[in-house]
Amino acid sequence: GEDVEQSLFLSVREGDSSVINCTYTDSSSTYLYWYKQEPGAGLQLLTYIFSNMDMKQDQRLTVLLNKKDKHLSLRIADTQTGDSAIYFCAEPYSGYSTLTFGKGTMLLVSP
Amino acid sequence: GAVVSQHPSWVICKSGTSVKIECRSLDFQATTMFWYRQFPKQSLMLMATSNEGSKATYEQGVEKDKFLINHASLTLSTLTVTSAHPEDSSFYICSARDRLAGGAEQYFGPGTRLTVT
Repeated sequence: GEDVEQSLFLSVREGDSSVINCTYTDSSSTYLYWYKQEPGAGLQLLTYIFSNMDMKQDQRLTVLLNKKDKHLSLRIADTQTGDSAIYFCAEPYSGYSTLTFGKGTMLLVSP
Repeated sequence: GAVVSQHPSWVICKSGTSVKIECRSLDFQATTMFWYRQFPKQSLMLMATSNEGSKATYEQGVEKDKFLINHASLTLSTLTVTSAHPEDSSFYICSARDRLAGGAEQYFGPGTRLTVT
């Protein structure tokens, strides 16, 4: 399957912006996804972006897509302690039948 | 919308017994459901893809006789861990695709923590 790479850990102070980066390999992916996993819970779909877009903004979340470099980022503005979680980027594979997930970036927000 | 539930949320069982985990899509129909396993501080490992009314497709290295999957309806899939052993202890998460959705997004259940003693 395809590989999705993420940095493993990010620490920020409350109120700062957080940027979580991801690289993917399948240039034909039409959608790219960001999921959030809080401790002991399942994954929550945060947002997604179509490949024909460079940017998508949804309240405090901004997704940037660089198709040339196959790079995806998630920016969280005014990060709060409640944003502390693991964030996974994911791309479809196998004909959209399933998703490939990165290893996840643990975001720690300190007061 | 797009809520997926799992039951139970946690279970402790003795070695050698079987445990059934249910995954339900509450407000949409899911022709396809997925079962994942997650070890502490690791990403999700896809175990199998479950299609309503047909046999599940297992990923390489996953024992189909040990992890029995049944997807009898458009809103329910079950995973049965047979003859559980301590090494089966893990966090099991299911997800479902809305059959009417155009993309590949999956909606996840809250997970089931299995501890085998």
